[in-house]
Amino acid sequence: DQQVKQNSPSLSVQEGRISILNCDYTNSMFDYFLWYKKYPAEGPTFLISISSIKDKNEDGRFTVFLNKSAKHLSLHIVPSQPGDSAVYFCAASVTGNQFYFGTGTSLTVIP
Amino acid sequence: DAGVTQSPTHLIKTRGQHVTLRCSPISGHKSVSWYQQVLGQGPQFIFQYYEKEERGRGNFPDRFSARQFPNYSSELNVNALLLGDSALYLCASSFARYGEQFFGPGTRLTVL
Repeated sequence: DQQVKQNSPSLSVQEGRISILNCDYTNSMFDYFLWYKKYPAEGPTFLISISSIKDKNEDGRFTVFLNKSAKHLSLHIVPSQPGDSAVYFCAASVTGNQFYFGTGTSLTVIP
Repeated sequence: DAGVTQSPTHLIKTRGQHVTLRCSPISGHKSVSWYQQVLGQGPQFIFQYYEKEERGRGNFPDRFSARQFPNYSSELNVNALLLGDSALYLCASSFARYGEQFFGPGTRLTVL
């Protein structure tokens, strides 16, 4: 049973525009969420996190939004750059212990 | 500073064999978690070890086992390999038992 879902397998965005990656979860006990970026032949790289006591967290060009009532989170990248092209995974956990990952969204930023 | 390291990078085994994968966490990190990632899927949690004790186990058969050593490095063992065990095995470390995890590059296991 997939507790974390990323329903868009791929996304293409023009350089300089906003990229919005979405993630839905089913377990209402999840209280800590992460986004990772993964390049081919490398392990996932931590991007940004958010705990359930917040609804927004910002780090430079990356902002994560959490909507607990909808069990939905999103990652916004503004402005998008070609180097952002990678597979993005969202992950959720209860108290930051065991993480459940989505299936990933492949982002392509077109120069 | 060295990140999480894993060895070997690639491995080819045949069905029924046994395999041992190794992981060295970031210096100062006391928690190590193991994940399996098959093609087209996200990482699936296998184990977490913190302070040399198992703190979490995912939905994997008993053929999978792990341990953590006094220096916080870790081994993942898989017995009686099946074709379906072919995957990228990722190790992640974190300073505490809870919190963001930092991943190594993974070990690509192919079972023939």
